[in-house]
Amino acid sequence: SQELEQSPQSLIVQEGKNLTINCTSSKTLYGLYWYKQKYGEGLIFLMMLQKGGEEKSHEKITAKLDEKKQQSSLHITASQPSHAGIYLCGALISGSARQLTFGSGTQLTVLP
Amino acid sequence: DTGVSQNPRHKITKRGQNVTFRCDPISEHNRLYWYRQTLGQGPEFLTYFQNEAQLEKSRLLSDRFSAERPKGSFSTLEIQRTEQGDSAMYLCASSLTMNTEAFFGQGTRLTVV
Repeated sequence: SQELEQSPQSLIVQEGKNLTINCTSSKTLYGLYWYKQKYGEGLIFLMMLQKGGEEKSHEKITAKLDEKKQQSSLHITASQPSHAGIYLCGALISGSARQLTFGSGTQLTVLP
Repeated sequence: DTGVSQNPRHKITKRGQNVTFRCDPISEHNRLYWYRQTLGQGPEFLTYFQNEAQLEKSRLLSDRFSAERPKGSFSTLEIQRTEQGDSAMYLCASSLTMNTEAFFGQGTRLTVV
């Protein structure tokens, strides 16, 4: 969706390195969701952010929401091969706030 | 397993045939969503239900597509006269309300040959 841009489109990192994935909306955000997807499988819920400045962490993954910039970032610390997959951001955005609009995803490869 | 369940996981059909997919949401989740995902893209919204009422349909949902949620529990998505362009992963998700976590099923991969 052009309404939700993810960057980078793909990322290759060495195991143990930190990385950041960004998600930027062209419209007002009412909620931001991060998911992980393995190829050919469904989406695994990671985190949901609703308030500006909100930050959540789960294990080595941290997500932040900058409401003013209409942007969220997902940060992985000390990446592991198990972190590999496609990371998708989904958002409730103005004009279509009753269902999630998704970005096109970031393909993460972690080299052992 | 109390997550969202989708059946079948894979479906191969000939062009022109009708197909039906089923989604069992998480129990007590009022909202149920259908999405379509093609390779290298994020999921695209198709339609959603609040209990048994279908409240919104995307313009992607042509008249060959129909979805139902007759008793506000499971849902079916039917595609009539399938076309090769219908080949995609069809994902179902459910949530308790609009602003709560939405959980996805494993999807049904449709291949139209």
